[in-house]
Amino acid sequence: DVVLTQTPVAQPVTLGDQASISCRSSQSLVHSNGNTYLEWYLQKPGQSPQLLIYKVSNRFSGVPDRFIGSGSGSDFTLKISRVEPEDLGVYYCFQATHDPYTFGAGTKLELK
Amino acid sequence: EVQLVESGGSLVQPGGSLKLSCVASGFTFSNYWMDWVRQTPGKSLEWIGEINTDGSKTNYAPSIKDRFTISRDNAKSTLYLQMSNVKSDDTAIYYCTRYGSTLDYWGQGVMVTVSS
Repeated sequence: DVVLTQTPVAQPVTLGDQASISCRSSQSLVHSNGNTYLEWYLQKPGQSPQLLIYKVSNRFSGVPDRFIGSGSGSDFTLKISRVEPEDLGVYYCFQATHDPYTFGAGTKLELK
Repeated sequence: EVQLVESGGSLVQPGGSLKLSCVASGFTFSNYWMDWVRQTPGKSLEWIGEINTDGSKTNYAPSIKDRFTISRDNAKSTLYLQMSNVKSDDTAIYYCTRYGSTLDYWGQGVMVTVSS
């Protein structure tokens, strides 16, 4: 199975700062069709995960442009500029390139 | 508005069976693959499996293969997860998800507890 390693495990931030989360894959996430199915989710306390970014860098409907996904191959990053209170929670990366699909272990974005 | 509402969660004994349901609304259910994902008490997320639009093709994670079965009824806009021979490791919140651009919409989840 593909292992997704997220760092850091926890990211203390001050509101208004930038935050950055890394997701590294145990193998390339480039599909045979040329797409890279690496997505990012945010799970706020007491809620279901919600989609932020799909196929590395595409923001889902309604997601603010302060969320920026980037990367290629097996190395990916989610940047959140100007962190707001509603951005706090646990971020997960997810790959749907290789069967079985897998999630990272999560990164908790929390206040300093 | 896309909505996915799971039901059927409960306490079940090891070796027992349980069937979860997920009623979809706000989109044309028969046009989308659907998936199940679970979240364990330790909080990690695990993809369980998926089903294609007409229910003719399914794909499962190795951890639950041959024990769980995903099915759907497009006339009722309902997705199912039949769980058999459950183990304590199956204790989790189970989420129904729509596969659009990816797992783009999630239900609120339903709790399954496996314990004697």
